[in-house]
Amino acid sequence: AQTVTQSQPEMSVQEAETVTLSCTYDTSESDYYLFWYKQPPSRQMILVIRQEAYKQQNATENRFSVNFQKAAKSFSLKISDSQLGDAAMYFCAYRSGGGGADGLTFGKGTHLIIQP
Amino acid sequence: SAVISQKPSRDICQRGTSLTIQCQVDSQVTMMFWYRQQPGQSLTLIATANQGSEATYESGFVIDKFPISRPNLTFSTLTVSNMSPEDSSIYLCSVGGWSGGAGAADTQYFGPGTRLTVL
Repeated sequence: AQTVTQSQPEMSVQEAETVTLSCTYDTSESDYYLFWYKQPPSRQMILVIRQEAYKQQNATENRFSVNFQKAAKSFSLKISDSQLGDAAMYFCAYRSGGGGADGLTFGKGTHLIIQP
Repeated sequence: SAVISQKPSRDICQRGTSLTIQCQVDSQVTMMFWYRQQPGQSLTLIATANQGSEATYESGFVIDKFPISRPNLTFSTLTVSNMSPEDSSIYLCSVGGWSGGAGAADTQYFGPGTRLTVL
């Protein structure tokens, strides 16, 4: 079974600064997907970014980027120019490849605090 | 992304009763999933619901406790049966295999969740 580990229960960053959230995973599969989701107090799960394991290039979405190290099984999220609206729980998630039939395995989450 | 709605958004129920949660999507999707998020915890997959077949349950979840229906490609229900206070959680529906946009089929999108409190 796959496991996802987020070792930082809480992170704090000054507004406009950059922060990196860590995620490692364990799998024996070669085809899989990795995701970062954001959950604000409204509890809505919002997709932040997606990475396909077969792609060497790191995914980016505006101020959000990942550092995907497949050999090290590491998938960190970098948030640049942090904004107050970025404050939320961030969950790293894993999904096996093969047609989307599998559910997601989540890490325990990192609570991100943005200091004004 | 797909627009997903859940009903009810929250409920307070008595021990021993059952609650059915509805999940509606604005377009046809291949896969629908149900997750549980206990207070202060991460999300755990309960089951995968495919249209026209029995739901597939994860270890620790059984059909008698969490019966699921998937009558068509846009709708699913999850029932939490014979509830106890330990069932107090947020229950989230998600969809996969949505055909809109690059990479959408490989991504799961979530509904707003149902906050359940059992007294």
